Amino acid sequence: DAGVIQSPRHEVTEMGQEVTLRCKPISGHNSLFWYRQTMMRGLELLIYFNNNVPIDDSGMPEDRFSAKMPNASFSTLKIQPSEPRDSAVYFCASSTTYGTGSISSYNSPLHFGNGTRLTVT
Amino acid sequence: SQELEQSPQSLIVQEGKNLTINCTSSKTLYGLYWYKQKYGEGLIFLMMLQKGGEEKSHEKITAKLDEKKQQSSLHITASQPSHAGIYLCGADIITSNTGKLIFGQGTTLQVKP
Repeated sequence: DAGVIQSPRHEVTEMGQEVTLRCKPISGHNSLFWYRQTMMRGLELLIYFNNNVPIDDSGMPEDRFSAKMPNASFSTLKIQPSEPRDSAVYFCASSTTYGTGSISSYNSPLHFGNGTRLTVT
Repeated sequence: SQELEQSPQSLIVQEGKNLTINCTSSKTLYGLYWYKQKYGEGLIFLMMLQKGGEEKSHEKITAKLDEKKQQSSLHITASQPSHAGIYLCGADIITSNTGKLIFGQGTTLQVKP
């Protein structure tokens, strides 16, 4: 099991540039989450997908942020245009659902990638 | 997230000492997860608690969820330098089985040899 893989590990870009962060979830996991971590706000959930479909994007800060999951093994988080206040560590996490039905099913703990440290100057 | 309050924010202990970290919510916690994070790395899952009164242990770390399912504690016995890091509690407070977690601000632990 290779775990959740994120790329790049570090990204430094100038304000106004487009940034794309990538994530490969653990094979077989059907839920994928994008989080952002800063000193001021801690770990915030941006968006999550279930079976490749966006379920809740209420944490996406602005229209400058967009996320896609074209298939079960790949997701991207894009920021366009980037701003200095977007500087943070962005984490991707995945999990799987065991069982069936709304009562009997439960989710595995989230497995996190090592994150992408984004610096916007 | 202010919905999950962790205390203390930071902790410095001498190697061999015991310590406790708390995680409190004003809402019912449907699933409570403890993670550990080292600087520059992702979060590593430690334990998951779901039932009121539940207690789990792994090596020298014990986590409990109170009966009302609004508070959890993480206790480390005979701390070692390897226990140093940031401990975060995460919880599903909306309903069970969404997998969507909110997190506390974290507790930074330093263990002095």
